[in-house]
Amino acid sequence: TQLLEQSPQFLSIQEGENLTVYCNSSSVFSSLQWYRQEPGEGPVLLVTVVTGGEVKKLKRLTFQFGDARKDSSLHITAAQPGDTGLYLCAGLQGAQKLVFGQGTRLTINP
Amino acid sequence: DTEVTQTPKHLVMGMTNKKSLKCEQHMGHRAMYWYKQKAKKPPELMFVYSYEKLSINESVPSRFSPECPNSSLLNLHLHALQPEDSALYLCASSPTWIRRGPLYEQYFGPGTRLTVT
Repeated sequence: TQLLEQSPQFLSIQEGENLTVYCNSSSVFSSLQWYRQEPGEGPVLLVTVVTGGEVKKLKRLTFQFGDARKDSSLHITAAQPGDTGLYLCAGLQGAQKLVFGQGTRLTINP
Repeated sequence: DTEVTQTPKHLVMGMTNKKSLKCEQHMGHRAMYWYKQKAKKPPELMFVYSYEKLSINESVPSRFSPECPNSSLLNLHLHALQPEDSALYLCASSPTWIRRGPLYEQYFGPGTRLTVT
């Protein structure tokens, strides 16, 4: 099984600051998905990146897929308390299996 | 509509009980999944159904029995569970690889919080 290492595991910052979450592997994935999960709820899909070097923006969130398709990052600009949650990256292994990183628990303090 | 529904929201069962979790989607997806998520851990894949046939079983104990009666429904039958099986059980669906290739997005339901006493 391919492994995804996500860092940092915990991040607590003040409202208005910027942050970056990293998702790294030694293996190549055909695509990588980012999810956000609230306590007691299912993960909600934020974005899928497929092409090496791809950059996707979702309002204040910027997602990047590494050129070699082994790593990805999530950058949040001017973080807001509503961004608080668990962020999960997940790489597609084969045709049907998602491999999840351990998650980054993000807290934005007002 | 990208909604996957799951019932019940919460379930408490004894170790000798038999219960079932239900999942439904109307997005026309032909792949459906069961995941188990323990507290402060990421989801772990249990089963995958593709075109109503079981395609992946991640060595899950036989006390968990999946069923896919049709392309919209997925059940997980539970019997003789252990307290360590207490977790959030998540259902997901996606288009199949044939239709979407690497742009292969899984959509999750809200989960069933299971407590085994």
